[in-house]
Amino acid sequence: NAGVTQTPKFQVLKTGQSMTLQCAQDMNHNSMYWYRQDPGMGLRLIYYSASEGTTDKGEVPNGYNVSRLNKREFSLRLESAAPSQTSVYFCASSKNRQTGGNQPQHFGDGTRLSIL
Amino acid sequence: GENVEQHPSTLSVQEGDSAVIKCTYSDSASNYFPWYKQELGKRPQLIIDIRSNVGEKKDQRIAVTLNKTAKHFSLHITETQPEDSAVYFCATTSGTYKYIFGTGTRLKVLA
Repeated sequence: NAGVTQTPKFQVLKTGQSMTLQCAQDMNHNSMYWYRQDPGMGLRLIYYSASEGTTDKGEVPNGYNVSRLNKREFSLRLESAAPSQTSVYFCASSKNRQTGGNQPQHFGDGTRLSIL
Repeated sequence: GENVEQHPSTLSVQEGDSAVIKCTYSDSASNYFPWYKQELGKRPQLIIDIRSNVGEKKDQRIAVTLNKTAKHFSLHITETQPEDSAVYFCATTSGTYKYIFGTGTRLKVLA
């Protein structure tokens, strides 16, 4: 039981390059999230997927796209990387339910992305 | 939009003293309030959470209190130890699926 697995752990890109960050969870959670963490800014929500087949924008979606490939996997794509997207990216999942209340989020180990 | 304000941004305490971190939220519909601890270079991990139908919850040296009227909730750590040094984040929910995080408190426990 690995929890939430993110790949890669580190990446350096040049401005304008594209890449996809991968995230997979093995906890049978229905909701998945992508956050970015910058110094002094806390965790900011980029996109989330409440359930398989749905995705919604968070606070800072510009410059990103996501795909909920199946219940386990949720990927984040940078189409044309910019230096402002240098950050640590965390994927998280939770077993939210329409009734019964929200549940804790479980985070992956993060991807440290630098864009030159 | 919805937001969560967290104070203080940094907190230094002597080992054995208590630490209190406070968060204020804006969405009156928020009903779930988790706290996460993040050690340097690591992922955030849940340490305690509380739901809106409860005023206080304790787990050994950690407690969380909730004041729904004033829209604030606090994390209390008693008998602090060096391993409590980390960044602590509060969070709350916006709607059924979205979580909004505070900006974090860097706690330093001085030996």
